[in-house]
Amino acid sequence: GQQLNQSPQSMFIQEGEDVSMNCTSSSIFNTWLWYKQDPGEGPVLLIALYKAGELTSNGRLTAQFGTTRKDSFLNISASIPSDVGIYFCAGKHAGGTSYGKLTFGQGTILTVHP
Amino acid sequence: DTAVSQTPKYLVTQMGNDKSIKCEQNLGHDTMYWYKQDSKKFLKIMFSYNNKELIINETVPNRFSPKSPDKAHLNLHINSLELGDSAVYFCASSQEAPDTQYFGPGTRLTVL
Repeated sequence: GQQLNQSPQSMFIQEGEDVSMNCTSSSIFNTWLWYKQDPGEGPVLLIALYKAGELTSNGRLTAQFGTTRKDSFLNISASIPSDVGIYFCAGKHAGGTSYGKLTFGQGTILTVHP
Repeated sequence: DTAVSQTPKYLVTQMGNDKSIKCEQNLGHDTMYWYKQDSKKFLKIMFSYNNKELIINETVPNRFSPKSPDKAHLNLHINSLELGDSAVYFCASSQEAPDTQYFGPGTRLTVL
């Protein structure tokens, strides 16, 4: 089945540092989404991207839809302890059903040391 | 106030039992989903319903049967539970445009 490669798998950073993570796909997506999952909770949508090259910010978070439509990036600036969690990318395939079948990356576990 | 809710939060049961997980969304969305998250945190879609109609049915054992009494509810019934069914199950919903999904808090199922 469709694979999304998300990297890095985990990150250990100091408070205040910037963070970057990315996802790549072997095929084209027409939507990229970034989610954060806190322990014991469901994933929460952070940013949605709909067009190749699109750059969107949500507070300290910035995400980009790669121009090839096969990748996406998430940056977190000036990290704080509450940024801890698992970050997932998800992509929706170009064409086919419009009923929102998403493929998820493996997740990036972020740990922020105060 | 909760947009997507699931019950129960935790479910511990013996192998061979039958159990159900309920999901409700008050967002007015047309589409609902069930996902399974394994111990490595990998999220995989199981089913999707649009206006009470099955749209996506991934390769899931037929022991799993979703039921949608109305477009605000999508329940998951599991027959003859097996050890490998232990996981966290998430319900989600979306409206076609924008096509983004909102997740419930999850149900942690443990099969002993």
